[in-house]
This record gives sequence, C-alpha cells and structure tokens, in this order.
Amino acid sequence: EDKVVQSPLSLVVHEGDTVTLNCSYEVTNFRSLLWYKQEKKAPTFLFMLTSSGIEKKSGRLSSILDKKELSSILNITATQTGDSAIYLCAVGGGSNYKLTFGKGTLLTVNP
Amino acid sequence: DAGVIQSPRHEVTEMGQEVTLRCKPISGHNSLFWYRQTMMRGLELLIYFNNNVPIDDSGMPEDRFSAKMPNASFSTLKIQPSEPRDSAVYFCASSLGSGSHQPQHFGDGTRLSIL
Repeated sequence: EDKVVQSPLSLVVHEGDTVTLNCSYEVTNFRSLLWYKQEKKAPTFLFMLTSSGIEKKSGRLSSILDKKELSSILNITATQTGDSAIYLCAVGGGSNYKLTFGKGTLLTVNP
Repeated sequence: DAGVIQSPRHEVTEMGQEVTLRCKPISGHNSLFWYRQTMMRGLELLIYFNNNVPIDDSGMPEDRFSAKMPNASFSTLKIQPSEPRDSAVYFCASSLGSGSHQPQHFGDGTRLSIL
C-alpha cells in the first residue's frame, strides 16, 4: 500500500521565520509529488515535482524532490500570518491517476 | 475562470436520511475525483471518473455510497442511508487528463454532519 508521511505534524513560528516541511513516501512506480496549501476550504495547488534535484520556486515558497531519499521538502522564507494553513503532500504512483495524500503539517505563523 | 463548484457547502441531517452532494468540475477537465477528509484518516479517494465513466470505486466505503456522472459538467455523490460515521468534509476535484502528473483542482467541499 502506498504511504506518505509528513513531518512535523504541526509547527508554530513567528512572522519572518523560515520553515521547512518534510514529506517522505513509499509508493510503487513513482510518477509525481505535489504540494497543496489548505486554509479553511479547498486545498490549493502549489507545486508538482517529477524530477530529482530541480527546485520549484514561487515567491517565498520553494520545493525540491530527492528520489534517492524518497522525500521532498517545502521551504517558506520570511513567513507571514497568511502562510498559516495545513500543507499537504501527495504522491502519484501505482495506478496512473491516483494520488496518496499525507495527513498534512499544520503551520501557524504568529505576528 | 470558475473553479470546481460544490453544493451544498454545509449539510446537517439525521441518520437514516438520504444525502446528495453535487459537483461541477472545471470546464474542459475530463477527470473527476471524490474525496473524503477526516482528522483521523486525512484525504481519502472515494471514486475516480474519467470521461464520465467510473474507473475506480474501490475507495467507496460500502454499498450505502454511490456516485454518478451523467455528463461532463455534473457529478453526484449519494449516501443512503446516512450514518453518524459518515460525518466528514467531502471534496470534489477535477483535472485535465487522467495522469497523476496533472494537478487536481479542488472545490471548497461539503461539510456533512449526520446526527
């Protein structure tokens, strides 16, 4: 059975701090790894990673995949209160369409 | 562009009642997914449609759950009869293409409470 584990489960930081969220996986026939941000409603798509070592970046957020270590990190620099959310990692593997989601990391950014 | 649209946003009903959740995917997307999210189990895939055809319903918990997609712009998830353990947030998502290399885009979800 495919498995995705995220750490830490929750994290509290102050505005301006830099955070690193972790995602490790065990899937058959890895295809892609995706990061989502979930505030009060829908998970919103952040990044998709398919190749090892290539960083994806969007503003203060960046992510990189390590296929050798079966893991990915999501970095957020100069955090703001608006970054407070659950960050979900999902991995596509096995069947062509299925994503297996981790339980998420709850990030709280205090002013 | 309109995103995935789900209705109702909230549903509170008594156990034993029939519940119908609705979803309109993003126009042009040919894959549609129904998920359930709980604190204990996180996001779980219930059923996947491709080009309106159910491809994988192995995540549907039991016969009380059914889903349909009569056309490319509409899908329903029905629970009959409902039970308190069905209380959760139900998300619909759609994607362009069928592969897991395409990001899925989620609706705002239906928060379901069965009393």
